[in-house]
Amino acid sequence: AQRVTQPEKLLSVFKGAPVELKCNYSYSGSPELFWYVQYSRQRLQLLLRHISRESIKGFTADLNKGETSFHLKKPFAQEEDSAMYYCALGDMRFGAGTRLTVKP
Amino acid sequence: EAQVTQNPRYLITVTGKKLTVTCSQNMNHEYMSWYRQDPGLGLRQIYYSMNVEVTDKGDVPEGYKVSRKEKRNFPLILESPSPNQTSLYFCASSPKPHGEKLFFGSGTQLSVL
Repeated sequence: AQRVTQPEKLLSVFKGAPVELKCNYSYSGSPELFWYVQYSRQRLQLLLRHISRESIKGFTADLNKGETSFHLKKPFAQEEDSAMYYCALGDMRFGAGTRLTVKP
Repeated sequence: EAQVTQNPRYLITVTGKKLTVTCSQNMNHEYMSWYRQDPGLGLRQIYYSMNVEVTDKGDVPEGYKVSRKEKRNFPLILESPSPNQTSLYFCASSPKPHGEKLFFGSGTQLSVL
C-alpha cells in the first residue's frame, strides 16, 4: 500500500540546534513528495516539494530512494519554527504529522 | 485573492442532526478534497473529487457524503452526525489530482454532542 510514515509524533529541540523531521514512504514508482506546515491557528501551507529542490525558511529535504526517505532538515532551529509538520505523497496522502517545539 | 473558503469555522451540534460544511475555491481547480485532522492520526482523507460530478471515497468515508455539482464548490454533508465525527475538518484544492500543491481552507472545528 502507498503510504507515508512519520515515526515521531513529538519533537523538541532548543533554539539554534539542528532539527530533522523524519518521513519514510512506501510507493511503487517514482514518488512525488511534499512537506506541509501548520502554524498555530493557521491553515496548512506548502513548505517544500522535492522536485523544486529549493530551501524554504532554511529547511531542506532530500529524497533518498534507497532508504525511501524524505527527511526535513534545518541546521539551526528558530522558535518560530514551532509548528505541526506533515509529509505527504503526490496522491494527496499524508503522514500522521510531527509536532515540533523549539524551546528558547 | 486566490483562496479556499470554508464555512463555518466552528460548529456545535447534536447527534443525528444533519449538517453541511461548505467549501469553495476561486482558482478553477479541478481537484478538491476533504480531510479530517485528529490528534495522533494526522490528516485522513474523507472524500475527493477529480472534477465536476466525479467524486470518490478516501480512507475514512463512512458517515459522510459529498457532491460536486459545480467546479468551485465541494460541500461535506453529515446526514446523521455522531460523536466520533467530532474533529477538525479541512477542505483543499489543487489544479490537478496528482503531484501538485494543495491549497487548504482555514478549517472547521466540529463538535457533535
